[in-house]
Amino acid sequence: QITLKESGPTLVKPTQTLTLTCTFFGFSLTDSGVSVGWIRQPPGKALEWLAFIYWDDDKRYSPSLKSRLTITRDTSKYQVVLIMTNMDHVDTATYYCVHRSVAFDPWGQGTLVTVSS
Amino acid sequence: QSALTQPRSVSGSPGQSVTISCTGTSSDVGNYDYVSWYQQHPGKAPKLLIYDVTKRPSGVPDRFSGSKSGNTASLTISGLQAADEADYYCCSYAGYYTSWVFGGGTKLTVL
Repeated sequence: QITLKESGPTLVKPTQTLTLTCTFFGFSLTDSGVSVGWIRQPPGKALEWLAFIYWDDDKRYSPSLKSRLTITRDTSKYQVVLIMTNMDHVDTATYYCVHRSVAFDPWGQGTLVTVSS
Repeated sequence: QSALTQPRSVSGSPGQSVTISCTGTSSDVGNYDYVSWYQQHPGKAPKLLIYDVTKRPSGVPDRFSGSKSGNTASLTISGLQAADEADYYCCSYAGYYTSWVFGGGTKLTVL
């Protein structure tokens, strides 16, 4: 069974850098065709994909956020890390870690990150 | 503003069928058969319902079906149940650089 869990701060100040960690179980990020990444959802709003890292270490970023995002992996720890710089109030959202092979499935439970001074 | 356009809300009575549309462009929905649909209940993470336009993961009832015509994909839910009341999101692959785009979501109300 594949599971993913997000961890990181629940509150960050404007201009600070957010670091989120996804710890996953039930698969390896070296399995062909597999990727893990991040999708966020501001309160009451739609889903927005942010970044994904693939089994071959290829990385894809949302074009609108590319300059602020870095995604890395530690295959030995079964972890994926997302770094987002220069946080702003509009970045307040639930951040989901997601497994992808044929589609985004499954999703972690999500972690709400609030940006406030 | 989301890249894919969905109706903000749809409704139906128990037992009826509803269809949710998802309109994109020739750069996403119209160019790739990688449309997926997700169901999200309040306070919960999204759940995969349909992938590759028409395919259902194991465990998803066959009341849920997907289709595509041109730049518009659709999710049809037949035999509506109270438990189907949720938000529904479509997603499409949009090429190497854009990668993935989501719709704005549709709230389904079961009357």
